Amino acid sequence: DGGITQSPKYLFRKEGQNVTLSCEQNLNHDAMYWYRQDPGQGLRLIYYSQIVNDFQKGDIAEGYSVSREKKESFPLTVTSAQKNPTAFYLCASSSIGPQHFGDGTRLSIL
Amino acid sequence: DQQVKQNSPSLSVQEGRISILNCDYTNSMFDYFLWYKKYPAEGPTFLISISSIKDKNEDGRFTVFLNKSAKHLSLHIVPSQPGDSAVYFCAASGLTGAGSYQLTFGKGTKLSVIP
Repeated sequence: DGGITQSPKYLFRKEGQNVTLSCEQNLNHDAMYWYRQDPGQGLRLIYYSQIVNDFQKGDIAEGYSVSREKKESFPLTVTSAQKNPTAFYLCASSSIGPQHFGDGTRLSIL
Repeated sequence: DQQVKQNSPSLSVQEGRISILNCDYTNSMFDYFLWYKKYPAEGPTFLISISSIKDKNEDGRFTVFLNKSAKHLSLHIVPSQPGDSAVYFCAASGLTGAGSYQLTFGKGTKLSVIP
């Protein structure tokens, strides 16, 4: 079954620690995206990548980093510089047509 | 400044009746519009889209209408079913200054269909 897999579903982080969220897709899509959703808010774009080894900042990139070494994978690192990391993180991919989303990772700070 | 606005945070509709969800946008460069449906703790699922060259697109019980002059679109669900209860996000896309297409989302409308 083709799709987007985000892991883990729930993640806890201590203050001051970096944490990496995984996103894998087997849809053969060129473009991949990371969004953040806060309660009562829409999705806000963190980073996106249109091709391997290339990525661009979205609207709220501060405190986050990404890599795109393989077409299938687009991990997101939430660094200790991110002041308010508690949120629901969504990964998406697309080629021509609408973006398809994974089921998200909920990150909480201990 | 919100470029895509969904002014109704919630909507309740009786089963079998029509649900109408509204969305307004401010950026005249947007040329492609989408609706996503989202259940709690899941990712959004694509529902229906419309290009700016059209004013209506239909897919089964779902119809999206676009009024470019008013910068307004709406999603009609007829008839509404309890399984339609979810948060609906409106999203818009257009060529950015960086030469790529990105989605801008509204804050969502929570639809509750009452049996």
